[in-house]
Amino acid sequence: NAGVTQTPKFQVLKTGQSMTLQCAQDMNHNSMYWYRQDPGMGLRLIYYSASEGTTDKGEVPNGYNVSRLNKREFSLRLESAAPSQTSVYFCASRPTGNTIYFGEGSWLTVV
Amino acid sequence: AQSVTQPDIHITVSEGASLELRCNYSYGATPYLFWYVQSPGQGLQLLLKYFSGDTLVQGIKGFEAEFKRSQSSFNLRKPSVHWSDAAEYFCAVAPDTGRRALTFGSGTRLQVQP
Repeated sequence: NAGVTQTPKFQVLKTGQSMTLQCAQDMNHNSMYWYRQDPGMGLRLIYYSASEGTTDKGEVPNGYNVSRLNKREFSLRLESAAPSQTSVYFCASRPTGNTIYFGEGSWLTVV
Repeated sequence: AQSVTQPDIHITVSEGASLELRCNYSYGATPYLFWYVQSPGQGLQLLLKYFSGDTLVQGIKGFEAEFKRSQSSFNLRKPSVHWSDAAEYFCAVAPDTGRRALTFGSGTRLQVQP
């Protein structure tokens, strides 16, 4: 009954370092999403994946890459972290219906 | 492209008072509408959603929302606020086709006074 699981929950990076945020869902959903949340701006879509092997850019994709290697997992990679990428990151998934299920978030600080 | 406006950044109400949080959306067709709540340091919890049918929808924790097509609004209401309702509330809209990704408003932070 895990739903959408994100790791790590907290991470501090130095500018220029790379890291990958992992996301896995056990609900057999086709669609998965990565959002970032910044104060006063709500959540903004970074990348979207409609199915295994397909990805599409969202509203704020610059500085990120994603990988959907299988139906369960959708990872978000920061190749060279910048302070502007300090944010809370949410992974989400959606079945064929319209309700989106969110993970608990990953707090990332880039110093 | 769709958009969502939550005109109130911060609202303070007294415990036991009624609450209305405003949400206006822009979308060409009938959207799917959602309200989420987020407590500090926590993830997002779905309060309620509107897809079609009755324009007054009931959610969890005693919340309700009314879809008004003529006003492009989906305001969230609660008759009597509890201290535990203090949180940030997000309205979101999704299209009924394509990627169906949610577009969020900027949020309304609710403070509850004793």
